[in-house]
Amino acid sequence: DIQMTQSPSTLSASVGDTITITCRASQSISNWLAWLQQKPGKPPKVLIYKASILESGVPSRFSGSESGTEFTLTISGLQPDDFATYYCQQYNSWTFGQGTKVEIK
Amino acid sequence: QVQLVQSGAEVKKPGSSVKVSCRAPGDTLSNYGVSWVRQAPGQGFEWMGGIIPIFGTTNYAQKFQGRVTLTTDESANTIYLELSSLRPEDTAIYYCARERTLYSGYAAIWGQGTLVTVSS
Repeated sequence: DIQMTQSPSTLSASVGDTITITCRASQSISNWLAWLQQKPGKPPKVLIYKASILESGVPSRFSGSESGTEFTLTISGLQPDDFATYYCQQYNSWTFGQGTKVEIK
Repeated sequence: QVQLVQSGAEVKKPGSSVKVSCRAPGDTLSNYGVSWVRQAPGQGFEWMGGIIPIFGTTNYAQKFQGRVTLTTDESANTIYLELSSLRPEDTAIYYCARERTLYSGYAAIWGQGTLVTVSS
């Protein structure tokens, strides 16, 4: 199985901050990488697919990038609605990172 | 806007089976790849399997081989997950997820989730 190692597990930040979450794949997944946001008691919502393409309706403060097997989600100018848990997911064979909880500092 | 609607919460005894449904009102679910993912309480996600009804193909995670079955009722526009030989560690929220377009691959649309509790 392809392992996805996500970091950090928790991130404390303030409104307006720019934050970065990283995911590393154990082997090549091309760009078959999505970023998901989940809020308590809700299903996940896809933010980005193919490593860097913004899903329709997602604010432009979210962005994704890739470098080999390392993938990054950046939120520029954190908004109150962004405090949530974020997961990376490789959809070559469907495995997920362990999640990053973004909490208010 | 397309949405996936799942069946309600279930409480099951160890050793029994559960069948969870996923339907798409106003959409033709069989034209897309649909996967099932579960999330144990306070935990991350685990892929269980996927189905492309229009091609009649299924693919199961090795961990669940022999215990999970995905089926389709095209007349009801519904996809089912059946998990057998339930154990307490199968307690989780089970989600169906549809890809955006056929073979796009990523889970663009998620059901609301179905809580399955396995307890004696």
